[in-house]
Amino acid sequence: QKEVEQNSGPLSVPEGAIASLNCTYSDRVSQSFFWYRQYSGKSPELIMSIYSNGDKEDGRFTAQLNKASQYVSLLIRDSQPSDSATYLCAVNMSPGGTSYGKLTFGQGTILTVHP
Amino acid sequence: DVKVTQSSRYLVKRTGEKVFLECVQDMDHENMFWYRQDPGLGLRLIYFSYDVKMKEKGDIPEGYSVSREKKERFSLILESASTNQTSMYLCASSSLTGGYYGYTFGSGTRLTVV
Repeated sequence: QKEVEQNSGPLSVPEGAIASLNCTYSDRVSQSFFWYRQYSGKSPELIMSIYSNGDKEDGRFTAQLNKASQYVSLLIRDSQPSDSATYLCAVNMSPGGTSYGKLTFGQGTILTVHP
Repeated sequence: DVKVTQSSRYLVKRTGEKVFLECVQDMDHENMFWYRQDPGLGLRLIYFSYDVKMKEKGDIPEGYSVSREKKERFSLILESASTNQTSMYLCASSSLTGGYYGYTFGSGTRLTVV
């Protein structure tokens, strides 16, 4: 079983719709969760981080965390063609002094927003 | 603006060559990481370093070594390049901020081994 799993997609949504990206993780003690956006040929850039159960909103982006279900999601409201990218879920699987912030990444979900 | 800088954007090397990939960060971060990214496999951790001269193996260290002689610089070494090491290599650094770590990535080096 993969440690961090994402549906690879591609996920296609029309412009203006809500895009929903999902991620599950295997390690119950994981404490910090991140969403990165990666455009083709570019390096990942951080768009959201979440550490507590519930929702966290930043502009058009909302991250949702449910530690009991080991599930984290990213919602993109009013999707734009410029949101078309690969979205990577990342988890700090072993929090504490020995992990040194090491992140485990999912395979990424390709999102396409069509006009 | 804080940065993680990778020395080369594109590299083409021959099988058997010794290859050095350099990464420099200007954020005084303690931790630095090397990942490779391949289609369908995502980002996989090769090595990381949590202090000068300190290193730990990641998930796929075979065929690689690293060097961290100064806090700002973390080098990835391919001892004898092989075609299966053709990949995108990403360097990242992180520091504990507010109780949690955040990554900053370099722009990546696309290595082709022929």
